[in-house]
Amino acid sequence: AQKVTQAQTEISVVEKEDVTLDCVYETRDTTYYLFWYKQPPSGELVFLIRRNSFDEQNEISGRYSWNFQKSTSSFNFTITASQVVDSAVYFCALSENSGGYQKVTFGIGTKLQVIP
Amino acid sequence: DSGVTQTPKHLITATGQRVTLRCSPRSGDLSVYWYQQSLDQGLQFLIQYYNGEERAKGNILERFSAQQFPDLHSELNLSSLELGDSALYFCASSVGQTSGANVLTFGAGSRLTVL
Repeated sequence: AQKVTQAQTEISVVEKEDVTLDCVYETRDTTYYLFWYKQPPSGELVFLIRRNSFDEQNEISGRYSWNFQKSTSSFNFTITASQVVDSAVYFCALSENSGGYQKVTFGIGTKLQVIP
Repeated sequence: DSGVTQTPKHLITATGQRVTLRCSPRSGDLSVYWYQQSLDQGLQFLIQYYNGEERAKGNILERFSAQQFPDLHSELNLSSLELGDSALYFCASSVGQTSGANVLTFGAGSRLTVL
């Protein structure tokens, strides 16, 4: 069964600190996709990144970086030099083709507060 | 603007009542998903439609129902409302049906308050 665990429910950091959001997933499939979404205070979820199960290369986009490790079933998200605008709830998600449809399971989310 | 339109943005109603939430998917997207976000529950998958047909059901209560119309917009009907139904209801859309690679594009959500 699919499962996504985001053990950190809330994190507070001071501006300019680095912060890592953890995501651990469970699946029996060999083909799957991992996502991160951001939900700012305005409420709308915004797509950040997608990774497929065959691509373990880490990715960096500006201050954001993602570390995918199949050996530990983890897909962690690091924000470098955090800013107040990074304050949001961040969701990790696991997506698979399940019985002919796309099944997406979200973690419970990690609320990040960046303090000025 | 994500391209996914949800109405109404806010809705306040009383217990026992019935409401309808509406979603217009992004242009070109055939799949529509409904999610419920309560305070401590994260995003709970309710139901998925593809090109007018129901494809998957999640933790959707029997008091809730949904459909996707020929023009691809979708409606989520919530009846016999209870206090615990107060939540943010999200609609998301994607291009396809089966690929796990599809990115879900979310609407701004409909906030339902049941008093």
